[in-house]
This record gives sequence, C-alpha cells and structure tokens, in this order.
Amino acid sequence: QKEVEQDPGPLSVPEGAIVSLNCTYSNSAFQYFMWYRQYSRKGPELLMYTYSSGNKEDGRFTAQVDKSSKYISLFIRDSQPSDSATYLCAMSAGSNYQLIWGAGTKLIIKP
Amino acid sequence: GAVVSQHPSWVICKSGTSVKIECRSLDFQATTMFWYRQFPKQSLMLMATSNEGSKATYEQGVEKDKFLINHASLTLSTLTVTSAHPEDSSFYICSAAGISNEQFFGPGTRLTVL
Repeated sequence: QKEVEQDPGPLSVPEGAIVSLNCTYSNSAFQYFMWYRQYSRKGPELLMYTYSSGNKEDGRFTAQVDKSSKYISLFIRDSQPSDSATYLCAMSAGSNYQLIWGAGTKLIIKP
Repeated sequence: GAVVSQHPSWVICKSGTSVKIECRSLDFQATTMFWYRQFPKQSLMLMATSNEGSKATYEQGVEKDKFLINHASLTLSTLTVTSAHPEDSSFYICSAAGISNEQFFGPGTRLTVL
C-alpha cells in the first residue's frame, strides 16, 4: 500500500462546476499538507498549504484536512478551462522536509 | 511566492556526455534544496536532498556517482548527470525551501539523451 493514494483520473467536468479532488494517506505522523498544480511540461506550483486539521480558503480554492480519517480534499469553485492541469497532493511529517507525493489527478475543465 | 529558476529549460545531449542543471532561488535563501525526476504521466520522485555546504542525501536506488549534486551557496544548487544514457531522459525538477517548511519549485529541465 502506498503512503499516499490519489486517483490519477482523468477527471472531466464542465466549466463552472465545483471540483473535488482527494487524497488518502496512511501515516498518522503527517502534519503538513499541500496541494500543487502542475501544467504540462512545467514545474509544480504550490496552491494550498495547511498545517494539521481544518479548512483553508483562498479565492476559489478550499483545502480540507481530516486527520481522523486520514483524508484531504481540494475544492475548486466556478471551475475554469485554465484550471485544467494535474493536481498533486503532498504531505510531510515536517521535521525533515521530505514530501510524500500522491500520483496526481489530471483535471480537464470543458468549456 | 518565492521564485526558483532552473537552467537550462531543456537539453539534448549525446549518450556518454555529462549535463549540468542549475537551480537558483532568486529572492530568498534556500537552506535546503531538493532534486526530483518525473517520468511522463507519473508523479515526482525525490532523488536527493541537499543542504548548503554539506553533502547531499540520496534516496534509495539513486546513484550518487551518476547524479552529482553540489549545493554551493544558499541560492544555488547544481545537478550533474554524468555519462548520461537514454534511460536518464526525464524531466528534472528542483525545489527550494527556506526557514519555513514550504517548497518552491523550479520550472523543470527536460533532458533528452540520444
């Protein structure tokens, strides 16, 4: 079993829809949770950064962490074609910076 | 957010040659830099972690003599792929972290070995 599980998709939704992306993990020591967006042939771009449990909102993006269920989510409201990319979750225990990555979910927003 | 640059953005080389990739943090001091490789449609694989002024820590299965990492300063790390072969063709991405736990990624370098 991988430490971090993420459905690779692709996930295809119409423009304007609410998108829900998820990751599950097995290591209860993880404290830092991140979502990255990666366009084709580009480096990942940090979208959301959350410490411990709870919600964090930034514009159209909301990140949720449920440590009791070992489950994190990224919601995108009013999705746009420009949101089409691969979304990677990553997490770490914090002390040594090493990030453990999900496989990435390819998201396609259809105009 | 912080800016990390990589150079070159792409390189094509002949088998047996060595290639150097530079990673720079442009507006902050990076105490730790990371090197990843990514194959098509796959996630990032951490190759090594380097701290300024000390030897890099390599992940299991990564040959340290083949992938030479030098973290010369708080703003510069280099990855040299020595005696490159076609199987080394990949997308190499660096990231840099300062005093916080956030990693900022470079745009990546696409290496093609003929």
